[in-house]
Amino acid sequence: DAGITQSPRHKVTETGTPVTLRCHQTENHRYMYWYRQDPGHGLRLIHYSYGVKDTDKGEVSDGYSVSRSKTEDFLLTLESATSSQTSVYFCAIREQGAEGYTFGSGTRLTVV
Amino acid sequence: KNEVEQSPQNLTAQEGEFITINCSYSVGISALHWLQQHPGGGIVSLFMLSSGKKKHGRLIATINIQEKHSSLHITASHPRDSAVYICAVRFIETSGSRLTFGEGTQLTVNP
Repeated sequence: DAGITQSPRHKVTETGTPVTLRCHQTENHRYMYWYRQDPGHGLRLIHYSYGVKDTDKGEVSDGYSVSRSKTEDFLLTLESATSSQTSVYFCAIREQGAEGYTFGSGTRLTVV
Repeated sequence: KNEVEQSPQNLTAQEGEFITINCSYSVGISALHWLQQHPGGGIVSLFMLSSGKKKHGRLIATINIQEKHSSLHITASHPRDSAVYICAVRFIETSGSRLTFGEGTQLTVNP
């Protein structure tokens, strides 16, 4: 019933390489979010988008950039991956005026 | 600072037991969410609350706005309830409808 898919599901990359994670939705929701999940922390917001080409930083945005050129896609880019960016990344979507969030299945990224 | 605290961090129960997970937050909120994360990693939304109480099957969520506290109860717990339960809030002063998450409560229900 996805409505939201993340790709890839798993990735191993080397330090210093660029990495792009994709979040794709079929719900036409306005809001999209990227979070990271690490042991000892709750999910933390990296960046979010409130419309095409409208994005803003979250609490842990350093080292990350995002783009949203179409309603359905929200891309998260690590320009030069570091080991501290090893994490599980979740995308979430929300319709304007609605309270419920839908989460993607997550992307497990390992930077070696 | 806008914070969300959950307790306990870990909880082990026997099948059939009544379970309570607590969530406290620091300042005013517009909404509180309870989420469930299964071992496979996927996150699903269980409840969204702004006041009172909600029930779905064996799950009950309550919120006390004055006390800045919410509880998630599971009645007649079952091993399939084993998961991480996460509390998340939308603080009134945050923009973009962003959520702030607790660290989660790992629940294990033994048969």
